[in-house]
Amino acid sequence: AQSVTQLDSHVSVSEGTPVLLRCNYSSSYSPSLFWYVQHPNKGLQLLLKYTSAATLVKGINGFEAEFKKSETSFHLTKPSAHMSDAAEYFCVVSLQGGKLIFGQGTELSVKP
Amino acid sequence: SQTIHQWPATLVQPVGSPLSLECTVEGTSNPNLYWYRQAAGRGLQLLFYSVGIGQISSEVPQNLSASRPQDRQFILSSKKLLLSDSGFYLCAWSSVRETQYFGPGTRLLVL
Repeated sequence: AQSVTQLDSHVSVSEGTPVLLRCNYSSSYSPSLFWYVQHPNKGLQLLLKYTSAATLVKGINGFEAEFKKSETSFHLTKPSAHMSDAAEYFCVVSLQGGKLIFGQGTELSVKP
Repeated sequence: SQTIHQWPATLVQPVGSPLSLECTVEGTSNPNLYWYRQAAGRGLQLLFYSVGIGQISSEVPQNLSASRPQDRQFILSSKKLLLSDSGFYLCAWSSVRETQYFGPGTRLLVL
């Protein structure tokens, strides 16, 4: 069965420091994986997606994620946090047929 | 380019009243359409999805129903709202088996 686990419910960083949001997945086949961001009272915006091409995926706003099959991980990183990055982040795995399974979300706080 | 709209943005309804939330997509044909609910402090729960006009699949038994009267229109309804129906409702679209793109959401508060 497919599942996704976000290892931290809340991450707090200082502005200008690196961001790491951790995600592990479980899938019986090579999955499609996504990171979405949600600002308060807004819809979800796609940050990036992995679909079995390059294992290092670059997304919008300076974010990137690396697919590591041996570790079943798809962690999201950014070299330098900005205040506008404060939001909730969802790691998502796609089932065959197109349905999505969402992680529980990680709230990112950025301190000045 | 494709855009997705939801309305209303915010809704406050009394318990027992009916509900109709609308979602429309522009710039694409025959999209897959999805309704999700996001309760406070929780992830997203898939409620319904549709692969074509009149074709609705329900993921969880509940007080809600969905309809797709037109190719790019997806409606979420209820005859009698419950307190537990409060939440943030998100509509999404995708091409077949591709990335899902989300609308801005509707905040529903049932009192």
